Amino acid sequence: QVQLVESGGGVVQPGRSLRLSCAASGFTFSTYTMHWVRQAPGKGLEWVAALSYDGSNKHYADSVMGRFTISRDNSKNTLYLQMNSLRAEDTAVYYCARGVAARSGNFQHWGQGTLVTVSS
Amino acid sequence: EIVLTQSPGTLSLSPGERATLSCRASQSVSSSYLAWYQQKPGQAPRLLIYGASNRATGIPDRFSGSGSGTDFTLTISRLEPEDFAVYYCQQYGNSPFTFGQGAKLEIK
Repeated sequence: QVQLVESGGGVVQPGRSLRLSCAASGFTFSTYTMHWVRQAPGKGLEWVAALSYDGSNKHYADSVMGRFTISRDNSKNTLYLQMNSLRAEDTAVYYCARGVAARSGNFQHWGQGTLVTVSS
Repeated sequence: EIVLTQSPGTLSLSPGERATLSCRASQSVSSSYLAWYQQKPGQAPRLLIYGASNRATGIPDRFSGSGSGTDFTLTISRLEPEDFAVYYCQQYGNSPFTFGQGAKLEIK
């Protein structure tokens, strides 16, 4: 079965960096577009970034453009999110997600999430 | 950016009743690329409907989606106790992909 496991969250000071990882299994990772979605405490869902199956196409939310970078290593079945210049408003649970079909922008499969807290 | 507005913000109903949740887009959603999710406290969201009207794998047939263009609806025909949760709509026809603000379905 499809499994997505995020890691790398924690407490970080404003302006610092953090890298999240998402280990995928149970499907052919190298053929799927992958996404990061976040949820601030007590708030709604916010799509963060998407990456095509081969890493050639990237899309970002305006709120993270220029600060976050999505990448993948298909040989390791792993998705990454490099987060630089972190701000208090980036505090959230970060989920990696996969769609119904290979290029889907919907999110059928989700990880358990990893909490990022940006605080001094 | 397409803004999705969900209504009502909170819906209070009893088990066995019918629930109707609305999602209105600020501009037409391409190819009906509209999804609905259910989220319970402490859990990741669960995909219910994609492509405006297609039920995801394992979703009971009491859940149905309809609509096109800018107006979409999620209907739960007969509420079960486990259906009380927060529901989100999401469009994925245009980047940036966006979610509605959420609608809470609570027990009356």
